[in-house]
Amino acid sequence: AQKITQTQPGMFVQEKEAVTLDCTYDTSDQSYGLFWYKQPSSGEMIFLIYQGSYDEQNATEGRYSLNFQKARKSANLVISASQLGDSAMYFCAMRGPYNFNKFYFGSGTKLNVKP
Amino acid sequence: NAGVTQTPKFQVLKTGQSMTLQCAQDMNHNSMYWYRQDPGMGLRLIYYSASEGTTDKGEVPNGYNVSRLNKREFSLRLESAAPSQTSVYFCASIAGQGAHLDFGYTFGSGTRLTVV
Repeated sequence: AQKITQTQPGMFVQEKEAVTLDCTYDTSDQSYGLFWYKQPSSGEMIFLIYQGSYDEQNATEGRYSLNFQKARKSANLVISASQLGDSAMYFCAMRGPYNFNKFYFGSGTKLNVKP
Repeated sequence: NAGVTQTPKFQVLKTGQSMTLQCAQDMNHNSMYWYRQDPGMGLRLIYYSASEGTTDKGEVPNGYNVSRLNKREFSLRLESAAPSQTSVYFCASIAGQGAHLDFGYTFGSGTRLTVV
């Protein structure tokens, strides 16, 4: 069974600094996708970044990058130059190819950006 | 705007009351999902519908029923609400079983349900 672990319930970062949010996963599938979603206080779920298990390059989307270490089964989100608007919950999620598109979510990390 | 629409956004129920959460998507997606979000537990899958005409249990189905009314609509019903069902409920959809792995969910805006 798939499982996602986010070990940091909450984190603080100073504005303009970089921050890494940890995510480890467990799966027996060889082909899978890893996602990060942002949930601001307004409650909506916002897609941030995707990494495929066969992608050799780490994914990047603007200030977001995904530090993918396949052998260690980790998919950490790196946010560069943090902004006050980055304060939110962040969820790591995984989907595999043979499970009717079900996503498995971690418990989330609450990020607070300090001015 | 195209997307996933959930109604209502907020609801307070008394223990034992019933209600139906509505979800509709206009993206011609095949698969639809209901999740609940509780503090410290992330999102947990309640039920899903891989395609029109099919529904299956997820991780936490007890106390819920679902109906895939047509390709667009997927409703979640609480027959006899309990305080343990106080949560935020999200509906999501995705193109389909054959969708490429880089396709993510499209989420609704959520329903905040309180059972007293």
